[in-house]
Amino acid sequence: DAGVIQSPRHEVTEMGQEVTLRCKPISGHNSLFWYRQTMMRGLELLIYFNNNVPIDDSGMPEDRFSAKMPNASFSTLKIQPSEPRDSAVYFCASSSEYNEQFFGPGTRLTVL
Amino acid sequence: GNSVTQMEGPVTLSEEAFLTINCTYTATGYPSLFWYVQYPGEGLQLLLKATKADDKGSNKGFEATYRKETTSFHLEKGSVQVSDSAVYFCALNDYKLSFGAGTTVTVRA
Repeated sequence: DAGVIQSPRHEVTEMGQEVTLRCKPISGHNSLFWYRQTMMRGLELLIYFNNNVPIDDSGMPEDRFSAKMPNASFSTLKIQPSEPRDSAVYFCASSSEYNEQFFGPGTRLTVL
Repeated sequence: GNSVTQMEGPVTLSEEAFLTINCTYTATGYPSLFWYVQYPGEGLQLLLKATKADDKGSNKGFEATYRKETTSFHLEKGSVQVSDSAVYFCALNDYKLSFGAGTTVTVRA
């Protein structure tokens, strides 16, 4: 099994640009999670999908952030416009019905 | 709401030392409990889990027992190696994971 796949692994962009992060969950998993990790705030849950439907987006920091899951095998997290304080490692994870989550390798985002 | 409190680091040990990382939780009901490990530059990996009271999870020499009476899930390893240097996260699961803040462990040769 390939595990959770995230792309790109590294992204460097300038303030004001749009950034799109991509995630392919493990086949057969019906829950998908987006996290952000920073030194200051640790690991934060941004949004959680179940069966492609957003269930809890209370962690999404502001309207600049949006996430979609158009089908069971793909999700995106978009930041528009990006700001330097968005610099972090963004993780995607998937699970099947309340079981353990499997994490992707993360996308390291740097906004200059 | 559900929450996890784990021992703050950083923790620095010599090889073959005994490691304990304390974790306590607050939850309604009986959630599953997990320890995740994050090696430098990588994502989180499940280390071990326990799904009900008195269950003991174990993996790679690490152990943790789900103690309902003390609402704890402490991680232990009897003899650490340099390769155990990582950040360790305690977590509980209802429909989503609630993570502790993470404990950085450094093992010196």
